[in-house]
Amino acid sequence: QAVLTQPSALSASPGASVSLTCTLRSGTNVAGYRIFWYQQKPGSPPQYLLRYKSDSDKKQGSGVPSRFSASKDASANAGILLISGLQSEDEADYYCMTWHLSGWVFGGGTRLTVL
Amino acid sequence: EVQLVESGGGLVQPGTSLRLSCAASGFNFDDYAMHWVRQAPGQGPEWVSGISWESGGRNYVDSVKGRFTISRDNAKSSLYLEMNNLRPEDTATYYCVKAYCETVNCGMEDVWGKGTTVTVSS
Repeated sequence: QAVLTQPSALSASPGASVSLTCTLRSGTNVAGYRIFWYQQKPGSPPQYLLRYKSDSDKKQGSGVPSRFSASKDASANAGILLISGLQSEDEADYYCMTWHLSGWVFGGGTRLTVL
Repeated sequence: EVQLVESGGGLVQPGTSLRLSCAASGFNFDDYAMHWVRQAPGQGPEWVSGISWESGGRNYVDSVKGRFTISRDNAKSSLYLEMNNLRPEDTATYYCVKAYCETVNCGMEDVWGKGTTVTVSS
C-alpha cells in the first residue's frame, strides 16, 4: 500500500470549489505529518503551493493565491487541498508530499480538469 | 535571483555511470539542505536523495541505495549526484531542489531547477 494515495482525476466547473485528498497509509496518523502540495503543468517542474500540519503550522507559497488552502480530515486520515473559485488556469496535476520514516514520499497525483 | 541549474544528463547504456551537477546562485547555499527529485516520462515526481547543509545527513530512496551518492561543495555552491550501475528505470528528468531549512527532513518549497534528462537505454 502506498504511503500517500490521491484520486487519479477530478473535474469541476469554473467558479466551483474542489477538494483534493491525500490519504495516508493505514497505520499512520495524519496528525503527525506535514503535508506539502504542488501544482504541475506540462513541461514545467512542480510548483510549490503550500504546506500544512495544523492551523498553527502552515505556510503559503510566495505568490500563491489565498483561494488555495489546506486542512486535514482526521476521520479519513487525509490531507486536503481546497481550491475555491476555480479558474481555467488551475487545470493541472496536483501532488502531495510528506516525510515518512527516512525519506520524502509523493502521492501519485490528481489530474484536475476545469470543465 | 535565486537559481538552480542542473547539468550532466544524457543518454547512457545500462550498467554505466553518470554524474549530475547543480549550480546554485542567489542564496546562501550552505544554509540549506538540498534534494534531487526525479520524474519519469508521464509519471509523478519521486524524491531520490537529500543532503543536509553540512553533508552530515544523507538520505536516499530505497531504489537507489548503494548505487547513487549525493554530495555537495559549499565553496562552489554546487550539488552533485553520482549515479552508478544505471538501470532503464532510472530514466527521468532529474531536478535539483532547495530545502527550506538545513536538514534533510526539511521539505522542498519553491526553488526548483529546470531539470536535466537522463535516459538509460541500450
